[in-house]
Amino acid sequence: GNSVTQMEGPVTLSEEAFLTINCTYTATGYPSLFWYVQYPGEGLQLLLKATKADDKGSNKGFEATYRKETTSFHLEKGSVQVSDSAVYFCALTVAGTASKLTFGTGTRLQVTL
Amino acid sequence: AAGVIQSPRHLIKEKRETATLKCYPIPRHDTVYWYQQGPGQDPQFLISFYEKMQSDKGSIPDRFSAQQFSDYHSELNMSSLELGDSALYFCASSLGGRTDKNIQYFGAGTRLSVL
Repeated sequence: GNSVTQMEGPVTLSEEAFLTINCTYTATGYPSLFWYVQYPGEGLQLLLKATKADDKGSNKGFEATYRKETTSFHLEKGSVQVSDSAVYFCALTVAGTASKLTFGTGTRLQVTL
Repeated sequence: AAGVIQSPRHLIKEKRETATLKCYPIPRHDTVYWYQQGPGQDPQFLISFYEKMQSDKGSIPDRFSAQQFSDYHSELNMSSLELGDSALYFCASSLGGRTDKNIQYFGAGTRLSVL
């Protein structure tokens, strides 16, 4: 079956620090990969996506590259802000009709001044 | 831009009661998904509909049922509620059934508390 493994949290960083959240996956077929962010008390927001190998998704200073050879989709940001504090979910879906997203367990990021 | 609307936002029920959660997808979106997120957990897929037909099914208890109506809104019906059903329930919608091509947009969720 399909699965996503994320690094354990919480991750605590000072403002302007470099962020990496590791994500690896196993999938039958050729998945599309996503990062979703969940701010406290809110729903899930799509942060970025990549649909094929070597694609780089980017948004709001966050980046992730689809690495088929290492089955990874690590999230990075060069300089985090306090407002980035949230839970980050890596997810995948495979081709199909209305197929589900499979999520990782989420990584809580806390950024302090 | 219009987003996915879920109602109610909060719901408190007693054990063995029933609950109905509603989801209004983004206009023109024809695909709806339901997920359940327990405290500190990742969202777990329950069920999806494409063009008003059930498409995929996850770990949805037999006590739950769902449907998508002619206007594409969806309802999740939950009966004989148990304490373990307390969770955040998300609805997501997308345009088109191809999930490798079409992004799922999530609503803010309904927080169900079973007492």
